[in-house]
Amino acid sequence: DTAVSQTPKYLVTQMGNDKSIKCEQNLGHDTMYWYKQDSKKFLKIMFSYNNKELIINETVPNRFSPKSPDKAHLNLHINSLELGDSAVYFCASSRDDRPTYEQYFGPGTRLTVT
Amino acid sequence: GENVGLHLPTLSVQEGDNSIINCAYSNSASDYFIWYKQESGKGPQFIIDIRSNMDKRQGQRVTVLLNKTVKHLSLQIAATQPGDSAVYFCAERTQAGTALIFGKGTTLSVSS
Repeated sequence: DTAVSQTPKYLVTQMGNDKSIKCEQNLGHDTMYWYKQDSKKFLKIMFSYNNKELIINETVPNRFSPKSPDKAHLNLHINSLELGDSAVYFCASSRDDRPTYEQYFGPGTRLTVT
Repeated sequence: GENVGLHLPTLSVQEGDNSIINCAYSNSASDYFIWYKQESGKGPQFIIDIRSNMDKRQGQRVTVLLNKTVKHLSLQIAATQPGDSAVYFCAERTQAGTALIFGKGTTLSVSS
């Protein structure tokens, strides 16, 4: 009955590789997000996506691309991985039909680029 | 620009004490604020939220106070327990359907 799930939990790879992180939510939410948490625990939005619009944080390199096969999934693809991509990546989701809502976060994927 | 920050990176308290974690925000257009707790190795977990038309909201052992005049948000935890040890983040949202903007986090350490 996990609300937001991510796979894998840990990902170790070499520079230059291409990798994907999967995210699924079973909450029926409209919007999904990807956040990056750096070594200092700072959480920063990368993308937000619903069936109408993809909003990209302008600071995110175009090596990162979200792909949504359906409303319940938002996967993160990363091309040509760099050392600086090492971080914990969190997927989240929320409803849009209420004036207040919380975002539900997944357990995170720790990416280590060597 | 938007900036949500916390006054102290760390806070150490004794079990049973009340804890107060502070947060300052800079965007007066933000309409919604939220506190998250993040335990080691886990994703952020919702604690409590508050809309901009309120100045106080209470939950179980937690209270959030919002002072829009000085753009200040605080989280009060009553009778702090060792299980409350975690990193606490405040976050703001400027409009519905947009991502949260997080502050830098305060690490709360509770000693018994």
